Amino acid sequence: SYELTQPPSVSVSPGQTASVTCSGDKLGDKYVSWYQQKPGQSPILVISQNKKRPSGIPERFSGSNSGNTATLTISGTQAMDEADYYCQAWDSLVVFGGGTKLTVL
Amino acid sequence: EVQLVESGGGLVQSGGSLRLSCAASGFTFRSYWMSWVRQAPGKGLEWVANIKHDGSEKNYVDSVKGRFTISRDNAKNSVYLQMNSLRAGDTAVYYCASEGLGSSFEYWGQGTLVTVSS
Repeated sequence: SYELTQPPSVSVSPGQTASVTCSGDKLGDKYVSWYQQKPGQSPILVISQNKKRPSGIPERFSGSNSGNTATLTISGTQAMDEADYYCQAWDSLVVFGGGTKLTVL
Repeated sequence: EVQLVESGGGLVQSGGSLRLSCAASGFTFRSYWMSWVRQAPGKGLEWVANIKHDGSEKNYVDSVKGRFTISRDNAKNSVYLQMNSLRAGDTAVYYCASEGLGSSFEYWGQGTLVTVSS
């Protein structure tokens, strides 16, 4: 079965750029979505189809996908961006990455 | 306003059954694939099952095949998850979600907690 691998944790200072990676075999050939989840809340879609921002998602969130790695980039990271982030793709079935805890400190 | 409201969760003994429901509003339900996604306590997201617009195609993660059944009623704007032969490992918050372009999950419900006691 297809697997997506994310780092368990990423740390960033306020105002700096955070990058969360997601790796999988030939992932660049697939559409990748990214979700933000804060404690006790449902996930929120922040990037779809590799790089599209849904309505209401701040411009500081961007995505890319090439080769075997997709990346979620948060520019000018704010304290409110501290959350768990999950990548997701489709390979005959839906697959989620294991999640990355983003800490803003 | 888009809303997905899950119900039917609760405490059940191992080997028991539960039926989850998800009521949708605010979007053209019959045009969307719908999924169930679960999250065990302190763990990540796991996709469970999905169903095509008209119910003609259904897919499941291997761990629930033969035990869970997804269905929908477009007249009632609802999707369901019948869960049989429940195990402790099925303990999780279960979310329903609508699938948009690129198989992304645009809308999520608030989740319903299923606890399976051994």
